[in-house]
Amino acid sequence: GIQVEQSPPDLILQEGANSTLRCNFSDSVNNLQWFHQNPWGQLINLFYIPSGTKQNGRLSATTVATERYSLLYISSSQTTDSGVYFCAVCQGGSEKLVFGKGTKLTVNP
Amino acid sequence: ETGVTQTPRHLVMGMTNKKSLKCEQHLGHNAMYWYKQSAKKPLELMFVYNFKEQTENNSVPSRFSPECPNSSHLFLHLHTLQPEDSALYLCASSQGIQETQYFGPGTRLLVL
Repeated sequence: GIQVEQSPPDLILQEGANSTLRCNFSDSVNNLQWFHQNPWGQLINLFYIPSGTKQNGRLSATTVATERYSLLYISSSQTTDSGVYFCAVCQGGSEKLVFGKGTKLTVNP
Repeated sequence: ETGVTQTPRHLVMGMTNKKSLKCEQHLGHNAMYWYKQSAKKPLELMFVYNFKEQTENNSVPSRFSPECPNSSHLFLHLHTLQPEDSALYLCASSQGIQETQYFGPGTRLLVL
């Protein structure tokens, strides 16, 4: 099956810093989603981005489907950004969203 | 996103018990999903329902039994579970298959 690798596995930032999270996948996909899981376990969908670039406030994401990677940018990080960020992909003809292991982000005040 | 609710939020059960997890979505979606999240493992898809029909069973043991009576409700019936089944069980929904998924808060299950 398709493999999803996220890097870095852990990231510690000071409040106000910027960061880039990466998601590599091993085969072509027609669905890519980024999620944030807060410390209480709630998963929030950030972006549905099988290709191209999207922005939502301090967050933006870019997926280069032909090169099989996606990037999530967090600018001016806040303590509430802490948690685990997951990338998930789905291949054409499949109903199964495959998740990476996530990047654990800690933003210190 | 508060459109997907799950009950109970926490559950402790013995290996001989029978319990059920409930998920309800208020978003008018047609697809619903059960996921399992164990410590230090990626989220694993368990079941997919599309228009109340099960379309995916990701090799889940028969001690987990899903039920989807309508497009808004999804249950996971549990019986004779093992301690390794302890995990966070997450429900999600989407308008259609392969569209944006919205998750509930999860049920933290501990099997003793």
